[in-house]
Amino acid sequence: NAGVTQTPKFQVLKTGQSMTLQCAQDMNHEYMSWYRQDPGMGLRLIHYSVGAGITDQGEVPNGYNVSRSTTEDFPLRLLSAAPSQTSVYFCASSYSSVPYEQYFGPGTRLTVT
Amino acid sequence: KQEVTQIPAALSVPEGENLVLNCSFTDSAIYNLQWFRQDPGKGLTSLLLIQSSQREQTSGRLNASLDKSSGRSTLYIAASQPGDSATYLCAVLISNFGNEKLTFGTGTRLTIIP
Repeated sequence: NAGVTQTPKFQVLKTGQSMTLQCAQDMNHEYMSWYRQDPGMGLRLIHYSVGAGITDQGEVPNGYNVSRSTTEDFPLRLLSAAPSQTSVYFCASSYSSVPYEQYFGPGTRLTVT
Repeated sequence: KQEVTQIPAALSVPEGENLVLNCSFTDSAIYNLQWFRQDPGKGLTSLLLIQSSQREQTSGRLNASLDKSSGRSTLYIAASQPGDSATYLCAVLISNFGNEKLTFGTGTRLTIIP
């Protein structure tokens, strides 16, 4: 199994540009989520999904959109990038049952200038 | 709101020593607690997961304990090695009307001195 994969690894955007961060998992996990990691603030939940067609907001959802059309994929869209969205983004997945162990992707480092 | 704290933020110890990393959380209604390792510029690697009904888990030189009533967990690393140098994160999983959410601490950056 490839586990949780993320593309791209690095991305530089100009303010106002849009892009999609890709996340895929091959473990048939129902639950998928997106986090951002900023120095001194830990990982914060952006959006999550408990299954195909179901998404919800996390702690810091503003400026981001998600959709989940398949069990495997959970893309994160930045509609109009801002410098405040410079961060490292991690995707995670798990089964929606005990023990709910979370598996993380390798991350995408995004810089918005 | 669940808050997770890890103290100290950074720790340096000589190689070979045993050490303990601390994690505390404010809401004891958790499903599990997970310890992760993060190397610089890399993703998170799961080390140990303790379910709410368990008291501890062990994997090799690592032992994690959980005391829900006091809102505390510790990660014990025996006979530390330079390769253990990394940032260690703890995270607690809670459920909100069937939606599970993970709350992270800010981590302890561990340096093992050869």
